[in-house]
Amino acid sequence: DQQVKQNSPSLSVQEGRISILNCDYTNSMFDYFLWYKKYPAEGPTFLISISSIKDKNEDGRFTVFLNKSAKHLSLHIVPSQPGDSAVYFCAASGGNNAGNMLTFGGGTRLMVKP
Amino acid sequence: DVKVTQSSRYLVKRTGEKVFLECVQDMDHENMFWYRQDPGLGLRLIYFSYDVKMKEKGDIPEGYSVSREKKERFSLILESASTNQTSMYLCASGVGLSTYFATNEKLFFGSGTQLSVL
Repeated sequence: DQQVKQNSPSLSVQEGRISILNCDYTNSMFDYFLWYKKYPAEGPTFLISISSIKDKNEDGRFTVFLNKSAKHLSLHIVPSQPGDSAVYFCAASGGNNAGNMLTFGGGTRLMVKP
Repeated sequence: DVKVTQSSRYLVKRTGEKVFLECVQDMDHENMFWYRQDPGLGLRLIYFSYDVKMKEKGDIPEGYSVSREKKERFSLILESASTNQTSMYLCASGVGLSTYFATNEKLFFGSGTQLSVL
């Protein structure tokens, strides 16, 4: 039973437009959320995070929104660039007996077309 | 820059073989992790270690074991490889407080080992 779900396996966007990647979670004990980006042949790299005490966090072209009542978060990339083409993983922590281990979603492959 | 190095980029093994995946980090991190990445399932935690000779099971430890004899090195062992262990294996390291993690955004991943078990 996946506690973190990314329901869109892929997304295609035109360069310069907005990319919106979505993530849903089921565990109400999660209190910290992260996005990682993964290029082929490389390991995931941290992109942006948000604590459950906030509903928005912005870092340059990247903004993460958290809707706790809906157990939903989204990553907005504006404007999208071809170099943003990668697989994006949503992750959550908190609520685990073993401490704040990360639980990852299945990933969304973003393709930004020039 | 933090570097997490996985010894092999690609591995092909036969069913029943014993397989060792090695991971080394150069930032003196306390915590190290092994994940596997499968399409649609994301990254799933196999084992982690928060200190030398310490290990904890993750979400999917069956069929795997680990070894951490030195702080910088964390090995994943498949005692008898099976075809359902064909996957991308990712090692990560990070800093934690005591045995738990205040935040996890400083997880650093290696480039991964694509293991195929035939």
